[in-house]
Amino acid sequence: DTGVSQDPRHKITKRGQNVTFRCDPISEHNRLYWYRQTLGQGPEFLTYFQNEAQLEKSRLLSDRFSAERPKGSFSTLEIQRTEQGDSAMYLCASTPLDGARIWPLHFGNGTRLTVT
Amino acid sequence: DAKTTQPPSMDCAEGRAANLPCNHSTISGNEYVYWYRQIHSQGPQYIIHGLKNNETNEMASLIITEDRKSSTLILPHATLRDTAVYYCIVRVEFGGGYQKVTFGTGTKLQVIP
Repeated sequence: DTGVSQDPRHKITKRGQNVTFRCDPISEHNRLYWYRQTLGQGPEFLTYFQNEAQLEKSRLLSDRFSAERPKGSFSTLEIQRTEQGDSAMYLCASTPLDGARIWPLHFGNGTRLTVT
Repeated sequence: DAKTTQPPSMDCAEGRAANLPCNHSTISGNEYVYWYRQIHSQGPQYIIHGLKNNETNEMASLIITEDRKSSTLILPHATLRDTAVYYCIVRVEFGGGYQKVTFGTGTKLQVIP
């Protein structure tokens, strides 16, 4: 168990640019989640994948945001035409699919995005 | 999921027990209490969860009142590395259900040397 890995750890971009973040969940974790965290607030749910299927999206996920998990393993989160309000920590988490037990979320250490 | 209320901040002397309260007065019978913590610049880390009974693991103890309207997370011997934001969350667990967890603003615990 190497943990949830996120890349990059930090990203600084200019307003209007596109950015993409990557998340590698724990091996064999079928469920993958993206959260966003702004300064002084707790993480907020953005979207959820079960294998390659994106099953839920928050209203926070505007049209400029798109997430994929093409082969049911790693996931990417892309933000197009970034705005200063997109500055936040983007967190990825994963859990197994096994419904017979309660599985807590395993989080990565996030990608901190700064839009200038 | 039921709403939780936590104090925004607490201090604790190093080596002493840290007792972090959480109020969840609208909790329903099938909702679990979870605790996570977030150390600066890291992702949240799971600590413990419980339904009705008190729970203990290698990190902490969770005390849930009999009416389940409040709980206390206990770190028995706080160290400087326990300085973090602690989140109390209540949520329903469905067999096979996914976890759309709602975090509040948590309690910022400062452990003082």
